Amino acid sequence: KAGVTQTPRYLIKTRGQQVTLSCSPISGHRSVSWYQQTPGQGLQFLFEYFSETQRNKGNFPGRFSGRQFSNSRSEMNVSTLELGDSALYLCASSFTHNTGELFFGEGSRLTVL
Amino acid sequence: ELKVEQNPLFLSMQEGKNYTIYCNYSTTSDRLYWYRQDPGKSLESLFVLLSNGAVKQEGRLMASLDTKARLSTLHITAAVHDLSATYFCAVDSRDRDDKIIFGKGTRLHILP
Repeated sequence: KAGVTQTPRYLIKTRGQQVTLSCSPISGHRSVSWYQQTPGQGLQFLFEYFSETQRNKGNFPGRFSGRQFSNSRSEMNVSTLELGDSALYLCASSFTHNTGELFFGEGSRLTVL
Repeated sequence: ELKVEQNPLFLSMQEGKNYTIYCNYSTTSDRLYWYRQDPGKSLESLFVLLSNGAVKQEGRLMASLDTKARLSTLHITAAVHDLSATYFCAVDSRDRDDKIIFGKGTRLHILP
């Protein structure tokens, strides 16, 4: 059974640009969550999607957005990048939105110059 | 707002020693998870604790949950170098706040 796949794994952007990250969950998993990981703040919840609907959103500015497609694949977008957006972005999937542990992908490491 | 506090945040210990990592949380929940993260890698699920008094063991690691005290512990017995990693606890508050919140992690460094 394939795990959670995130693309791209590494990317470098400059301030003001935008970026789109992709996540393919484990087959059969319908819930996808996104987390931002930085050395100072740890793992911070961005948002969760279930059946193409955003279930919840963390305390991030509107520059951070996401969506989920009918095949449960998810994308997140960050517009007008800032230096502080440099982080490891982790996607996690679970079977449903209210039960079960999370299964994480390898992450997308974003560097903003 | 749900808060999850781990301590210590950094632990350096000798091989063969025992130690405990603590995870305190601020809301009622009977679902808690422990994850391991190796440097440059993603998070791997270690334990799923789903009720008060739950205890799970895998090798030299044992996790327990006391929902009344809002406390989970991860106990390391006779540590070995391969257990060096960062350990996260995560509290499942999805039936209340619709979120899973992670602690800041405990970076464990085991000296050979």
